[in-house]
Amino acid sequence: SQTIHQWPATLVQPVGSPLSLECTVEGTSNPNLYWYRQAAGRGLQLLFYSVGIGQISSEVPQNLSASRPQDRQFILSSKKLLLSDSGFYLCASTSTGLYTDTQYFGPGTRLTVL
Amino acid sequence: GNSVTQMEGPVTLSEEAFLTINCTYTATGYPSLFWYVQYPGEGLQLLLKATKADDKGSNKGFEATYRKETTSFHLEKGSVQVSDSAVYFCALSETGNQFYFGTGTSLTVIP
Repeated sequence: SQTIHQWPATLVQPVGSPLSLECTVEGTSNPNLYWYRQAAGRGLQLLFYSVGIGQISSEVPQNLSASRPQDRQFILSSKKLLLSDSGFYLCASTSTGLYTDTQYFGPGTRLTVL
Repeated sequence: GNSVTQMEGPVTLSEEAFLTINCTYTATGYPSLFWYVQYPGEGLQLLLKATKADDKGSNKGFEATYRKETTSFHLEKGSVQVSDSAVYFCALSETGNQFYFGTGTSLTVIP
C-alpha cells in the first residue's frame, strides 16, 4: 500500500501570512492526489485534486492554491491566510489503473490562523 | 449525482455493546463503498470496503454489507471496545477519481 507524508504536522500562522503545506507519496507512481480540509467537528471538504503533474482541479473557490511540481509531490499554498483557513488539512492519494480504487490519507496538518 | 448520508452523531455506547452506524448512498452507476476511521488528531484510515452488491467488507470485528436494493452500507460491530472510540466516515467512489464522503459519525465507548 501507499505511504503519505505531510509536513508540518502543526502550524500556527498570523492572518495575512503565506502558507505552504507539502505532501509526498511513496509506494505508487502516477497517483491521483487530493487536498481536503476538515473544520473542527465537521466532515471533509475537497479542495483540490490532481490527476498528473501540473494538472489541478479546484473544487471550491477560495484564497488557496495547489501545485504538483513532481509526480508524487502535492503542495497547498496561500499568499495571505484568513482566519477561516484554520482547520485540519489532509492529503490523500489513489493509485490509478484497474482494481485500485482505495484512497489513502496522510496524517494531516493542523493549521491555526490567529 | 453521487452522495453519502450517514447517521448523525455523536454516539455513546458502553463497552461490549452492539454498534450500528447507518449509511445510505446515491449513485448513478455501480460504486465501490468504504468505511474509514479517524482517531483523534490523525488522518483517515481505511477500515473496510466492498466493491459490488452483496459483498461484505470486514476488518477488526467491524462488518458492512453492500445492499444495492436499499442503497445502504451500514457499519456493525458486535462488541465495541474503548479503543474503537473515533469518527467513522462512509464513502463511495464510482471511478476511483472522485470520492464522496459522509459527514462522519463520532463514537465514544465508555468503560
